[in-house]
Amino acid sequence: QVQLQESGPGLVKPSETLSLTCTVSGVSVSSGTYYWSWIRQPPGKRLEWIGYVYYSGHTNYNPSLKSRVTISVDTSKNQFSLKLSSVTAADTAVYYCARIVTSNWSFYWGQGTLVTVSS
Amino acid sequence: QSALTQPASVSGSPGQSITISCTGTSNDVGGYKYVSWYQQHPGKAPKLMIYDVSDRPSGVSNRFFGSKSGNTASLTISGLQAEDEADYYCSSYIRSLTLDVIFGGGTKLTVL
Repeated sequence: QVQLQESGPGLVKPSETLSLTCTVSGVSVSSGTYYWSWIRQPPGKRLEWIGYVYYSGHTNYNPSLKSRVTISVDTSKNQFSLKLSSVTAADTAVYYCARIVTSNWSFYWGQGTLVTVSS
Repeated sequence: QSALTQPASVSGSPGQSITISCTGTSNDVGGYKYVSWYQQHPGKAPKLMIYDVSDRPSGVSNRFFGSKSGNTASLTISGLQAEDEADYYCSSYIRSLTLDVIFGGGTKLTVL
């Protein structure tokens, strides 16, 4: 059974960098079958795709966040990570990691983690 | 385009059928079969219910039916049950220089 689990600080100060890790079990992040993705959902609002990384290191990011986002993959640890710099209160959200099936762009989600940006 | 268009809310009584629409353009919903639907209960992660417009993952009830006509995809839930009350989101692959996938704004389903 494939599982994804987010981890990282639940509270980040404004202007600092938000860092989250997604640990994958049940499948290798080196599998060419999936993109490894981050999505967020501000409280009471809709889903927003942040970006993804492929096992090769290829990435694609939402243009609205591109200047602040880095997503990377660590095949040795079977993990992938999100870094979002210069955060503000508008970045407060539940952050989900997910695997995207490359053949049909469907998402399978982790449980999500709430990150609050506040001093 | 920032999001696919979904109605903010729909409602139905137990046993009835409801349909949720998801409208895009020829660059996304209308141009590809890569439309998915997700169910999200409060405080929970989204769950994949439909992929490739109308296919169901293993374990998803056949009361959930997906379809597409032109630039609009639809999710129909038949035999409504109380447990179906949730938010529903659509997503689609998008032909774009920058984006690969786009989500709908979400629809709140209320079972009366």
